[in-house]
Parts: sequence; structure tokens; C-alpha cells
Amino acid sequence: DVKVTQSSRYLVKRTGEKVFLECVQDMDHENMFWYRQDPGLGLRLIYFSYDVKMKEKGDIPEGYSVSREKKERFSLILESASTNQTSMYLCASSLWGLGGGVDEQFFGPGTRLTVL
Amino acid sequence: DAKTTQPPSMDCAEGRAANLPCNHSTISGNEYVYWYRQIHSQGPQYIIHGLKNNETNEMASLIITEDRKSSTLILPHATLRDTAVYYCIVRVAPVRAGNMLTFGGGTRLMVKP
Repeated sequence: DVKVTQSSRYLVKRTGEKVFLECVQDMDHENMFWYRQDPGLGLRLIYFSYDVKMKEKGDIPEGYSVSREKKERFSLILESASTNQTSMYLCASSLWGLGGGVDEQFFGPGTRLTVL
Repeated sequence: DAKTTQPPSMDCAEGRAANLPCNHSTISGNEYVYWYRQIHSQGPQYIIHGLKNNETNEMASLIITEDRKSSTLILPHATLRDTAVYYCIVRVAPVRAGNMLTFGGGTRLMVKP
């Protein structure tokens, strides 16, 4: 069964702390994504990666960085957490190049981060 | 990517068909229609996608109008576990760099016993 796991379901951090959110997929997918989800704003893409050591900015990259040293792992880093980064963070992965418009992204369960 | 419009909420009786509409009047010829859903406290889950033909899989059916300006997701026999927010997304087929999804507000489907 395909699986995307995230390191924590709930996380509470203080303003200014460095925060690491880890995501691991076991499907050998090339693409991995980090989104945040906020009420009324839907899902917004922070960063994505289409290969090891490759990364691209999404719609809202400010205040975040990412790391992809291994194909199965994609980390989201908040260098100095702020209260406006309190959110639900979702990781996803997908294959590409399957044709026919296939674009199934597999999502993890999410990490609810609270920054105090 | 084309914009989509969905009703904010719908109710459906358990065991009946749930028909969720989506308007995408500005869709272009190379854009697909994708449906995802998100059950409370879980990550989104892919349901189905289509270009112009109707599609069916084990979860749902997708009916796309001939002019492709709207579509309907059909859950043939809704169960309580189908209670979720359903997202209709219109976009071109994925490319290597830029394979991202943009989720709008979606439709909150409540299946009632």
C-alpha cells in the first residue's frame, strides 16, 4: 500500500525556533511537495522537488526552505518560526510522465503546527 | 489554470447518489478536470480525473459536459465515510517541473443517515 508519512501529527513551537518537518514516501516517486492549508485559503504550495537535490519555489516560499538529499525524504524547514506560520502542513508525492493526464498526488496525514 | 466554482456545501442521504457539480467555464482544450477529497483530519485523496470523456473507477464517476464548461462527480451510493470536502481542480497535464495542485474552497459534502 502506498504511503506518505510525516514525522509529527501535532507540533507546538515558540517564536524564533528552528522547525523541521520531515516527510518520507515509500513509492519511489520523483516528485514531492509541501503545502500548507489554512481555513478559507485552501491548499497553497510552499515548495516542490522533482528530483534529489532539486527544489522549486511554490506560491508562498517566504520564510521556508527545503531539503531533499534522498529520493524518499523531503524536509521543510522554518528557519525562525513566526506565529503566522501556524497552520496545517501537508506533504505529498507523485510520479510523472505516466501520460493520459495522470496526476495522482499521494498525501500524508498532515502536521498541525502551532507557533506560540 | 482555469478557475472552478463549486457550491460550498451539500447534503446527501446515506445510500443515495451524491452529485457534486463544478463549473469551469474558462477551461482550455488541454486542461484536465481532477477531483480530490479531504476527510476531516486527513490529507487529500485523489478520486478521478478526465479530459472530455466520462470516466468511472471504483470510487466514482465523472461526467463532463460536451462543451467541457462543467462537470459532475457522482458517488453512486454514498456512505457516512464519504463525508468530506470535495475539490474540483482544472489544470494541464503534469510536467516534470510544475506538477502542482491548487485547491480552492471545495464542496463540503455531508452524508446523513
